[in-house]
Amino acid sequence: GAVVSQHPSWVICKSGTSVKIECRSLDFQATTMFWYRQFPKQSLMLMATSNEGSKATYEQGVEKDKFLINHASLTLSTLTVTSAHPEDSSFYICGSGLSRGETQYFGPGTRLLVL
Amino acid sequence: SQKIEQNSEALNIQEGKTATLTCNYTNYSPAYLQWYRQDPGRGPVFLLLIRENEKEKRKERLKVTFDTTLKQSLFHITASQPADSATYLCATRDDKIIFGKGTRLHILP
Repeated sequence: GAVVSQHPSWVICKSGTSVKIECRSLDFQATTMFWYRQFPKQSLMLMATSNEGSKATYEQGVEKDKFLINHASLTLSTLTVTSAHPEDSSFYICGSGLSRGETQYFGPGTRLLVL
Repeated sequence: SQKIEQNSEALNIQEGKTATLTCNYTNYSPAYLQWYRQDPGRGPVFLLLIRENEKEKRKERLKVTFDTTLKQSLFHITASQPADSATYLCATRDDKIIFGKGTRLHILP
């Protein structure tokens, strides 16, 4: 199967700082990547769909100015949490697919803790 | 709005028995359903996809069924092992990908 990596795997930051999370497809080209957030004992919630070379599509209720997504190449998408606050503490996961979204391959996730 | 529900938050099964997890959907007719495994602190790993015109699909000790009348998919692990302990998510896609909350499966030695 396809391999997706994420970096960093965990990050602790002070309130008000910005945090960048990288998502890479290692052995395939990902024209589309998906960013999810998962709170404890909750399902994965889709935040946005990132398309290479164009603007991301955000889900309702997700602030695009707070969660900046850049998909500059076919193997790299980044999510920047700007001016992070404690309520942004969560598990962030990226995913991509080889075809039109039927099967998704996920990164290992990034645990964000904002103090 | 469309919903996917996994009614059991947690399930304890004795080692060697068959574990059966349930996924129900409402308010739409998915073309397919997927099952993923998620270990603590990790991203989900794809296991199986079953389409609406398939009644059953198997992969080693895993079996998935799709009942469009009951609007339900069942996920079975036969001869369960402690290493099968994890959270199992069902998912489908309408205009966007929707995941259930998952069922935490504990296989007791």
